[in-house]
Amino acid sequence: DVKVTQSSRYLVKRTGEKVFLECVQDMDHENMFWYRQDPGLGLRLIYFSYDVKMKEKGDIPEGYSVSREKKERFSLILESASTNQTSMYLCASGGTSGSYEQYFGPGTRLTVT
Amino acid sequence: AQSVAQPEDQVNVAEGNPLTVKCTYSVSGNPYLFWYVQYPNRGLQFLLKYITGDNLVKGSYGFEAEFNKSQTSFHLKKPSALVSDSALYFCAVRGGSGGSYIPTFGRGTSLIVHP
Repeated sequence: DVKVTQSSRYLVKRTGEKVFLECVQDMDHENMFWYRQDPGLGLRLIYFSYDVKMKEKGDIPEGYSVSREKKERFSLILESASTNQTSMYLCASGGTSGSYEQYFGPGTRLTVT
Repeated sequence: AQSVAQPEDQVNVAEGNPLTVKCTYSVSGNPYLFWYVQYPNRGLQFLLKYITGDNLVKGSYGFEAEFNKSQTSFHLKKPSALVSDSALYFCAVRGGSGGSYIPTFGRGTSLIVHP
């Protein structure tokens, strides 16, 4: 089975802190994604990566950056956390030819106080 | 631009009754369509997909979905609902060959199955 893991299930940070969220997949997928999920808004794409060191902005990249130094690992960085970044963050991999569907991690619920 | 609409925020159904969760989409070219389920405090799990072929697609946990090209719909169905089906359901679409491979998700529909 495909496995996507995220470094933390719950995280509490203070305003202004730098926050790292890490995602690891074990299926050799080229594509990886970061979403945030908020009630009533569904999933919104923050960034995606289609190869090592390659990244593209999604719908809401402001306040975030990403890093993909290895194929299996995709990190989301909040340079200076703010309270409006309190959310559920979901990582996914997959979506390429052959399967097309995405595989999601369990999510990180981030609270910024 | 591609888009997905899930017109119902919540669907209520009695256990044992059939259920339908609605999804309509807009995309250039042939659509690739997906349903995912999310249980509380969990990530999304893939349920089923339509890529090509038979319009009726069967997936996990007894769910199925029907692709209707003329109505641009991909409704999720199950003949007999279980209380354990209660969860949040997301429909997603992406373009097919030559289209954007980045999927767009609907806002989700909360399914509540009453005992």
